[in-house]
Amino acid sequence: TQLLEQSPQFLSIQEGENLTVYCNSSSVFSSLQWYRQEPGEGPVLLVTVVTGGEVKKLKRLTFQFGDARKDSSLHITAAQPGDTGLYLCAGARYGGSQGNLIFGKGTKLSVKP
Amino acid sequence: DAGITQSPRHKVTETGTPVTLRCHQTENHRYMYWYRQDPGHGLRLIHYSYGVKDTDKGEVSDGYSVSRSKTEDFLLTLESATSSQTSVYFCAISERGQYQETQYFGPGTRLLVL
Repeated sequence: TQLLEQSPQFLSIQEGENLTVYCNSSSVFSSLQWYRQEPGEGPVLLVTVVTGGEVKKLKRLTFQFGDARKDSSLHITAAQPGDTGLYLCAGARYGGSQGNLIFGKGTKLSVKP
Repeated sequence: DAGITQSPRHKVTETGTPVTLRCHQTENHRYMYWYRQDPGHGLRLIHYSYGVKDTDKGEVSDGYSVSRSKTEDFLLTLESATSSQTSVYFCAISERGQYQETQYFGPGTRLLVL
């Protein structure tokens, strides 16, 4: 079974701090997505990374896909209370049955004013 | 907004009763999925569909069945609900490129089995 391990599981920081969330696997993925989920809602796609070593920026969020396509990180600069939520990574497998995504268990981020 | 709705949004039922959850999409996507989300487990795939009348099991399919008679609708049925099926259920649709898949999620159905 392919697993995606996310760390940390919980993160509570003050507004203005920086943070990094990690997503690791022993398996290779053809692409990796990051989602954010707010209470009472479904996950919402933030970004998709496809190429090994790829870096994408979304305002204060920086996403990186590992060179070997087995890991990814999400870095938030100067976190704000609006960044609070559950962050999920999800990897797409090469081939396999109908291209299902493998989801990590998530990192629950709380940013306090 | 990816054009996905789920109904009902909340449901309370009793152990042993059948329950059907509906997912409706307006995007004409081929792939549709049902997940459950529980604390400590994250999102777990129940069943998925890759076309009308084409479905397959996911990681936690026991106790669940699905049907897809039209592209836009994907139904999840709990034949005889149990307390362990208390959860939040999410439907998703996906776009698939050659090397990537992006899933778009509905708002979820919160199910409580007493």
